[in-house]
Amino acid sequence: SYELTQPPSVSVSPGQTASITCSADKLGDKYASWYQQKPGQSPVLVIYQDVKRPSGIPERFSGSNSGNTATLTISGTQAMDEADYFCQAWDITTAVFFGGGTKLTVL
Amino acid sequence: QVQLQQSGPGLVKPSQTLSLTCAISGDSVSSKSAAWNWIRQSPSRGLEWLGRTFYRSKWYSDYAVSVKSRITINPDTSKNQFSLQLNSVTPEDTAVYFCAREPTTPNFDYWGQGTLVTVSS
Repeated sequence: SYELTQPPSVSVSPGQTASITCSADKLGDKYASWYQQKPGQSPVLVIYQDVKRPSGIPERFSGSNSGNTATLTISGTQAMDEADYFCQAWDITTAVFFGGGTKLTVL
Repeated sequence: QVQLQQSGPGLVKPSQTLSLTCAISGDSVSSKSAAWNWIRQSPSRGLEWLGRTFYRSKWYSDYAVSVKSRITINPDTSKNQFSLQLNSVTPEDTAVYFCAREPTTPNFDYWGQGTLVTVSS
């Protein structure tokens, strides 16, 4: 199977930039998506097709994907951005894979 | 605005069948530009994609290898919904189950509210 690896946790100060990585073999050859999940809620799509933001997602959320690593960047991080973040990719075998998740702490 | 409303029991006995339904509003289960997915989440397994159904002149289904022998996802066009059946459940199937829409791009843009299903006698 295809494994997506994320750091378990990332900490950032309010107003600073947070970067969350997702690594896998040749991930740059696939589309990566990112989801935000707050406790007790369903995941919310924040980035798709590597760099696109759905309607309603703040501009401070951005993404990139190259080589073996996709990155979610949150510029000017706010307290409301504290959540778990999951990356997701689709494999040619028509299977969907998720990363293990990264807990973002804003302190 | 697309909305997905899940329903189904929260407790299932071991060896029995887990059944959940996801009712769609704001879109059609027969849409040729969407697929309808089931995903589950547990502390031990994280987010795990289970499978999907979609219509492209005929109906298709794809399933994760890990559950392929036990799972069925069916559309119900008369009620604009789709369902999940997972057979022969064990306590390892205990999880929060989500339904989700997948547009033509491989991601999930709308999610149901989630259903905690516990497998226990």
